Amino acid sequence: DIQLTQSPSSLSASVGDRVTITCRTSQNIASYLNWYHQRPGKAPNLLIYATSHLQSGVPPRFSGSGSGTDFTLTISSLQPEDFATYYCQQSSSIPYTFGQGTKVEIK
Amino acid sequence: EVQLVESGGGLVQPGGSLRVSCAASGFTFSSYWMTWVRQAPGKGLEWLANIKDDGSETNFVDSVKGRFTFSRDNAKNSLYVQMSSLRVDDTAVYYCTRGRGSHYGVDYWGPGTLVTVSS
Repeated sequence: DIQLTQSPSSLSASVGDRVTITCRTSQNIASYLNWYHQRPGKAPNLLIYATSHLQSGVPPRFSGSGSGTDFTLTISSLQPEDFATYYCQQSSSIPYTFGQGTKVEIK
Repeated sequence: EVQLVESGGGLVQPGGSLRVSCAASGFTFSSYWMTWVRQAPGKGLEWLANIKDDGSETNFVDSVKGRFTFSRDNAKNSLYVQMSSLRVDDTAVYYCTRGRGSHYGVDYWGPGTLVTVSS
């Protein structure tokens, strides 16, 4: 199975901050990398698919980049509703594994 | 409006069986790959399985092989997971999700149903 390692595991940030989360995969997955966020007690939401494509309805402050084994999710200006846990997922090889999550907390 | 609603969760003893269902509406169910994802309490997400739009192909994670069976009924717009030989570590919220094709993530999630395996 392909392993995904997110960093950091958690971070504290303020509203308006630029936030970057990285995801490293154990094998080359081309561009088959997706990002989700999950607010407490809620189901996850798809933010970005195929590395850099913004899901419909997701604000443009979210962006993704990378290829191969190294990927990045960037939030250009953190908003109150963005405090959540973020997960990356590879969809290159079955099983489509997730990273362990990055919790974004209010500073 | 796309809606996915899981049902059938509950408390079951180790070694027991349970069937969780997902009712889909608001889209052409028979045109989409569907996926099951679970989340143990306080833990991260675990991809379990996906099933092709016409039901002709199913892929799943090794940890449920031989214990869980995944199926769909396109006439009823429904997705199922039949779980047997349940273990304590199968305790989780089970989510039904819709695929963006087979390789581009999942774009809609149900609210989930909690399965608790405990004696």
